[in-house]
Amino acid sequence: EAGVAQSPRYKIIEKRQSVAFWCNPISGHATLYWYQQILGQGPKLLIQFQNNGVVDDSQLPKDRFSAERLKGVDSTLKIQPAKLEDSAVYLCASSLVSRGRPVGHSPLHFGNGTRLTVT
Amino acid sequence: LAKTTQPISMDSYEGQEVNITCSHNNIATNDYITWYQQFPSQGPRFIIQGYKTKVTNEVASLFIPADRKSSTLSLPRFSLSDTAVYYCLVGDGGVRTGGFKTIFGAGTRLFVKA
Repeated sequence: EAGVAQSPRYKIIEKRQSVAFWCNPISGHATLYWYQQILGQGPKLLIQFQNNGVVDDSQLPKDRFSAERLKGVDSTLKIQPAKLEDSAVYLCASSLVSRGRPVGHSPLHFGNGTRLTVT
Repeated sequence: LAKTTQPISMDSYEGQEVNITCSHNNIATNDYITWYQQFPSQGPRFIIQGYKTKVTNEVASLFIPADRKSSTLSLPRFSLSDTAVYYCLVGDGGVRTGGFKTIFGAGTRLFVKA
């Protein structure tokens, strides 16, 4: 199966500029996640969608970050305006919903991320 | 959400078995234990998942004691290609919360001993 696709692979912008990242999850995966990974740290969850609804955006800096998944498939994450501390790798992941399975955790499938450098 | 604690880094000689232990003292009844591997410039990759006792696949084994308060990821023959960061996660798949919450810690950096 095709994996999670992300673009662009790299992006360099100046502070106060805007940037957008795109993610195409694995076909049929209802749940989509955006993570921010700062160098040397584990991925930090920014937002989680199930189909086109937001499940968790508690750690999304909503004054500058926004994300959408209009048709329940592709997703876009936007930063406007960017700050120096936004320099990180932005990872998208998707997973199946375990319908009919009483407990458990569907493994996440990650893309290779977008490396953002804010100067 | 159950918090996990794992060593920041470990090293091993090639060819040896490597065991990484993760503590999750407040694991809940519905929680599963999942391990991911991350190479530089790549997203994390699912390795193995278990609920109790032992799980084995072509990549690794996962040992979970009866009290489930810890788990140990075992790589049978460590090689240079296994150099990566390994993350231990605990979660219930969102049965209670209506969604899946997946929180990563800092992970364990595993590298070859000189």
